Amino acid sequence: GQQLNQSPQSMFIQEGEDVSMNCTSSSIFNTWLWYKQDPGEGPVLLIALYKAGELTSNGRLTAQFGITRKDSFLNISASIPSDVGIYFCAVLNYGGSQGNLIFGKGTKLSVKP
Amino acid sequence: NAGVTQTPKFRVLKTGQSMTLLCAQDMNHEYMYWYRQDPGMGLRLIHYSVGEGTTAKGEVPDGYNVSRLKKQNFLLGLESAAPSQTSVYFCASSYRGQGLRGYTFGSGTRLTVV
Repeated sequence: GQQLNQSPQSMFIQEGEDVSMNCTSSSIFNTWLWYKQDPGEGPVLLIALYKAGELTSNGRLTAQFGITRKDSFLNISASIPSDVGIYFCAVLNYGGSQGNLIFGKGTKLSVKP
Repeated sequence: NAGVTQTPKFRVLKTGQSMTLLCAQDMNHEYMYWYRQDPGMGLRLIHYSVGEGTTAKGEVPDGYNVSRLKKQNFLLGLESAAPSQTSVYFCASSYRGQGLRGYTFGSGTRLTVV
């Protein structure tokens, strides 16, 4: 099946640092999404990207939809302890399915106060 | 407005036992989904439904069955549980159409099969 390559797998950063993670695919997708998952909870949508080249912000988070439609990145500025969690990229898969998501394997973020 | 509610939250089964996981949404979403999440993995689609009375297979459907008799409910069944089905199961729902407007996940069911 389709795969998303998400990197890095994990990050250990100091509070106040900026964070960057990215996601690539061998196929073109028209919708890219970034989710955060806290322990014991389901994923929560952070940012949705619908247009190639689009740059979208949500507070300290910024995400971009790559111009080739095969990649996306997520930046977190001035990290704080509550940013800890697992961040997933996802794409909307229309081929053979309707509305389901394909997920990357996640980036686990740890923040040292 | 509860969003997506999953029951139970935790369950331990013996190999060969059966059980049903219930998902309920109160957002009038047309589409509903069941995913599983294993350690170090993203979520993988088991089955999905695009409307009442219709279901379809996702990426990892073997060993599971589903039913959507009412628009707001989506049931996931395990007829004969196996240790390989130990996982965290997430239900989600969304509106129909492009953009996944309103795509919402439940908080998960942690299932252990011994």
